[in-house]
Amino acid sequence: DQQVKQNSPSLSVQEGRISILNCDYTNSMFDYFLWYKKYPAEGPTFLISISSIKDKNEDGRFTVFLNKSAKHLSLHIVPSQPGDSAVYFCAASVGQGAQKLVFGQGTRLTINP
Amino acid sequence: DTGVSQDPRHKITKRGQNVTFRCDPISEHNRLYWYRQTLGQGPEFLTYFQNEAQLEKSRLLSDRFSAERPKGSFSTLEIQRTEQGDSAMYLCASSLSGVSYGYTFGSGTRLTVV
Repeated sequence: DQQVKQNSPSLSVQEGRISILNCDYTNSMFDYFLWYKKYPAEGPTFLISISSIKDKNEDGRFTVFLNKSAKHLSLHIVPSQPGDSAVYFCAASVGQGAQKLVFGQGTRLTINP
Repeated sequence: DTGVSQDPRHKITKRGQNVTFRCDPISEHNRLYWYRQTLGQGPEFLTYFQNEAQLEKSRLLSDRFSAERPKGSFSTLEIQRTEQGDSAMYLCASSLSGVSYGYTFGSGTRLTVV
């Protein structure tokens, strides 16, 4: 039972353009969502999060949008840079003091020069 | 602080052998988590500790798996009688309880069972 789904295994974007990564969830109890970035041979690194009381959170080039009615969130990266090439995971939890995160399968983002 | 450390980085073992992994969390973090990641999948929750108490275990954690955090600092994850299906990246993470941001992960231990 995949409660968090990232349906695009890979995405290729031109440098300077917008990257949009999508994530869907099925468990309506989830109320806190996070994005992690992972480089090869490293552990995932926290990127940005959003609580269900908001529909948007922004941090520099990264913006996360949450559509609760559609159970959908997206990560926008503008402008995309070569160093953004990595695997991106979305994750969800019940509560902000997250004891347990449920991760999606990941999307490999490649930024082309 | 050097972040979350995991040892070893890689482990190759024969089926049926026991293996033990170690995780050293960020020193002031009272929570410690173990996750497992297989190829093409995201990390899957295995268990977590608050200080030395193991508060939740996933059904993924069969009776061949045991985790400890004896003094509320480092943790060990032991797999007994390894099977080929145990081959995966084992990730450790730590956090402060009640934080509103994600945990800090280590670089993982890659286990290959042959």
